[in-house]
Amino acid sequence: KAGVTQTPRYLIKTRGQQVTLSCSPISGHRSVSWYQQTPGQGLQFLFEYFSETQRNKGNFPGRFSGRQFSNSRSEMNVSTLELGDSALYLCASTEGPANTEAFFGQGTRLTVV
Amino acid sequence: QQQVKQSPQSLIVQKGGISIINCAYENTAFDYFPWYQQFPGKGPALLIAIRPDVSEKKEGRFTISFNKSAKQFSLHIMDSQPGDSATYFCAASKGGATNKLIFGTGTLLAVQP
Repeated sequence: KAGVTQTPRYLIKTRGQQVTLSCSPISGHRSVSWYQQTPGQGLQFLFEYFSETQRNKGNFPGRFSGRQFSNSRSEMNVSTLELGDSALYLCASTEGPANTEAFFGQGTRLTVV
Repeated sequence: QQQVKQSPQSLIVQKGGISIINCAYENTAFDYFPWYQQFPGKGPALLIAIRPDVSEKKEGRFTISFNKSAKQFSLHIMDSQPGDSATYFCAASKGGATNKLIFGTGTLLAVQP
């Protein structure tokens, strides 16, 4: 069974640009959550999707958005990039809607210059 | 009330020793407590998880001890090996329709040969 696939693995963007990150969950998993990981703030929850619906959103500005498709694949978008958005963005895949085991992808390393 | 406090920040253990990492929480609505292991350049990997209806769970060399009244839980790694050297995160999740995880700040474990 394939794991969680995140693409691309690495990205370098310029301030003011926008970026789209992709996540393919484990086959059969219907819930996808996104996290931002930085040395200073640790692992912080961005948002969660289940059956194409956003169920939870973390405390991030509106520049951060996401969506989930009917095949459970998810994308997150960051617009008007700032230097502080440089981070490892992680996607977690879970089978069910609540408190089930979450499996993480390897992440997308975003660097904003 | 949303925080999960983790200690120590770093830990050095001799090969064959016991590594102990502690976490504390405030929100009594939390009802799922996983531990994750993360190696550099990788996403977090689920190690072991516990729910409040049991006080201990063991999987191989890894044991979670859970104290509901004290709102604390800990990870014990028995017979620690150099290959266990990684960053460990505790996390907590509330019951209901969510997979949102609140993470501790992480513990960098170094097992010396």
